[in-house]
Amino acid sequence: SSELTQDPAVSVALGQTVRITCQGDSLRSYYASWYQQKPGQAPVLVIYGKNNRPSGIPDRFSGSSSGNTASLTITGAQAEDEADYYCNSRDSSGNHLYVFGTGTKVTVL
Amino acid sequence: QVQLVESGGGVVQPGGSLRLSCAASGFTFSSYGMHWVRQAPGKGLEWVAFIRYDGSNKYYADSVKGRFTISRDNSKNTLYLQMNSLRAEDTAVYYCAKDLTGGEYAFDIWGQGTMVTVSS
Repeated sequence: SSELTQDPAVSVALGQTVRITCQGDSLRSYYASWYQQKPGQAPVLVIYGKNNRPSGIPDRFSGSSSGNTASLTITGAQAEDEADYYCNSRDSSGNHLYVFGTGTKVTVL
Repeated sequence: QVQLVESGGGVVQPGGSLRLSCAASGFTFSSYGMHWVRQAPGKGLEWVAFIRYDGSNKYYADSVKGRFTISRDNSKNTLYLQMNSLRAEDTAVYYCAKDLTGGEYAFDIWGQGTMVTVSS
């Protein structure tokens, strides 16, 4: 099955920009979706498809993709953006399976 | 409002069984595929299973194939996960999630989760 690899942790100064990456072979075939999870809470979808935000997600969140790498960018990070972030995509094995990335802890300084 | 509420979690011995439920409201349940996703304590998210909107097809992660069964009752707006032959490594919070559909392959609505602990 496919694997999606993320950096374990990144930090960003308040108001600055941070990019979170997700690497995996399945990303050559499928877009990644991105989820924000705060402690003790369920994940929340923040980006899906080429670069789409669900209703209610601030426009400081954006997504992009190139080759086997997907990226989530937070432009002008806020204190409330401190959370774990997970990417996800369809598995490229041909079966209707899904895979999550290893997760990235974002700390806002 | 759109809502998913899981129930049925608890403590079970290794080798035992448990059935989780996920009650949906605020959207046309019968029109959407549904997923189960789990998260072991202190660990990342793991996709578990998916069922199409009409129950016609079901897909499972290798880690649960042959032990877990996903099903749905569209007349009751409820999703289920029957878990058999449970192992310690199945200990996790189990979330149900709505499929975004439209070929986007994303989970747009999540429940609050229900905890399953497999321990003797």
